[in-house]
Formats: sequence, C-alpha cells, structure tokens
Amino acid sequence: DAMVIQNPRYQVTQFGKPVTLSCSQTLNHNVMYWYQQKSSQAPKLLFHYYDKDFNNEADTPDNFQSRRPNTSFCFLDIRSPGLGDAAMYLCATRTYGTENTEAFFGQGTRLTVV
Amino acid sequence: GEDVEQSLFLSVREGDSSVINCTYTDSSSTYLYWYKQEPGAGLQLLTYIFSNMDMKQDQRLTVLLNKKDKHLSLRIADTQTGDSAIYFCAEFYSGGYQKVTFGTGTKLQVIP
Repeated sequence: DAMVIQNPRYQVTQFGKPVTLSCSQTLNHNVMYWYQQKSSQAPKLLFHYYDKDFNNEADTPDNFQSRRPNTSFCFLDIRSPGLGDAAMYLCATRTYGTENTEAFFGQGTRLTVV
Repeated sequence: GEDVEQSLFLSVREGDSSVINCTYTDSSSTYLYWYKQEPGAGLQLLTYIFSNMDMKQDQRLTVLLNKKDKHLSLRIADTQTGDSAIYFCAEFYSGGYQKVTFGTGTKLQVIP
C-alpha cells in the first residue's frame, strides 16, 4: 500500500495560473519535504516542514509556497508558474531524529506548463 | 555547503558487476544513501551506510565508504536488465537541520 501519495500524478497548468500539488502520508512522520527534479538532474530541495515549522531553502523562489495543515497533508503552491517550473515534484517524509530513518518518497507529480 | 557529485552515465553488460561512484563534501554527513529511480517514478531507497562504517553488503549490493576521501560507491553484482535506472547517492546530516542532499545521478544502462 502506498504510504506517501501524491496527487495528481500529472498536472498541466497554464503559464501564470496558480497550481497546487498535494502530498499525503499514512506514516505519521513529522518531517515532510518537497523536492523539484528537472529532467536529468538531481532532486533539489525546495523546503521542508518539521511538524509545523517551515524551513525554506535559501534559493527557493518566492513563487513557491507550502502549507501543512496537519501531520498527514502537505501542499505545494506555485503562485505563477513559468515555463521553467515544469518538472517532477517529489514529496518525501521521514521521522525526525538522530537514528537513521528512511525518507519515503511519493511517486511524484509531473508538472507541465503550457 | 553540501555538494554531491556522480558520473552521469554507466553502461555494463548483463551479468557483469556495476560500480557507481559518488563524492561528497559535507564531512558532517551522518548517513549516506543510494536511491534508485526508474523512468517516470519516484525514488526508491536501495541501501544506506552509516558514516562510521566502511562497508555494507546487502544481497547483490555492496556499499563502500571512504570517509577520508569522502568517496562512496555502490557495486551491483550480476547486473540485470531490471537494474537499468538512474542511481542517486544522497547524504544526510542528522543534526538540527534534517536535510537530504542528492547527487547528480548516474544513469545505468544494462546491455543484454
């Protein structure tokens, strides 16, 4: 059974039209990550939540926002998508701590901007 | 800052061993991971190694860590066509900032 679920798998949006990608988890993990992965590149961390604490990467554009209304759900909002924002967006979760815990990834949402 | 690098492409014949290499810069990394990504899919954790270990074996997978040189490798024995994918190494620091940083990825092509 899928433990990190991303919806939709494929999203097409118009240039400049706000879009929201969603991620849900059944693992009760307290850390949730959003990564952007462009073709043939490494996943790049946009931001992450530790519980309700939001941690933004320094180079994440302001165009990208996130919400985490509860433990299970996390949303990625792109306020005004540009052509350069077309990518695979990956959500991951893990348990915070010093012990090793696996980061579980969703299947990703492939965003196309037209 | 963190920087994780890999060679971009590796081609091997079915049945041979594959060795995928990775270098990293953050000496405070606590764990180092290998993830597999098949086309259009998310990331699947293959194996990991704790930073105080030199080697870890898990069935066909062998991970070697040279902490002095900050070099990590993944050896896949008896490589199969189903192993064709992109392999990412990643480092994780378990201190206050719970960040997983990925390498650039190595595309493994297995030739039948």
